[in-house]
Amino acid sequence: GAVVSQHPSWVICKSGTSVKIECRSLDFQATTMFWYRQFPKQSLMLMATSNEGSKATYEQGVEKDKFLINHASLTLSTLTVTSAHPEDSSFYICSARELVGRDSTDTQYFGPGTRLTVL
Amino acid sequence: QKEVEQNSGPLSVPEGAIASLNCTYSDRGSQSFFWYRQYSGKSPELIMFIYSNGDKEDGRFTAQLNKASQYVSLLIRDSQPSDSATYLCAVRSGGYQKVTFGTGTKLQVIP
Repeated sequence: GAVVSQHPSWVICKSGTSVKIECRSLDFQATTMFWYRQFPKQSLMLMATSNEGSKATYEQGVEKDKFLINHASLTLSTLTVTSAHPEDSSFYICSARELVGRDSTDTQYFGPGTRLTVL
Repeated sequence: QKEVEQNSGPLSVPEGAIASLNCTYSDRGSQSFFWYRQYSGKSPELIMFIYSNGDKEDGRFTAQLNKASQYVSLLIRDSQPSDSATYLCAVRSGGYQKVTFGTGTKLQVIP
């Protein structure tokens, strides 16, 4: 399958600081990327859909001014958690959609995730 | 009603048995169906996709789709302890709609 990378894999920061997470599609172009959040023992929660060159579409209840998403190229999307607080501590996972799939379908591939801990 | 429903489990099966994971969905217009495996603390990994009625086999895995019943399942033959994970069913409607995930079924394969 296609490869999606995320950086960093984990980060610990102080309350009030901002954290940027990068998501890259390594061997394919992704016009659409997705950002998810997952709390322990809970299901994936879609935060936003990011389309290359346009503004992200946020899910209901997700603050767009707090979770800044940039998708400047076909292989890179970034999520910045601004003024992070302890309740933002979670597992953040990106996913990239391979539009012209090698498997002849439109498939989402996940990055390895970033574990954020806000002290 | 949830868009994609799965039994949360845990589903416990002995090693070597067949594990059967089920998923129902509410949107009749759904066209693409995916199964992901997620180990604890890791991100989901794509196992299979299916978009035609019937069965699709890949190694020990078989996906089954019945659009009339709005039902998709995943069979794991010769279950191994390493198959113990949470299995996520995902469904997408036509076009470039977002994928909707179920909450996952936790599978435990007992040695």
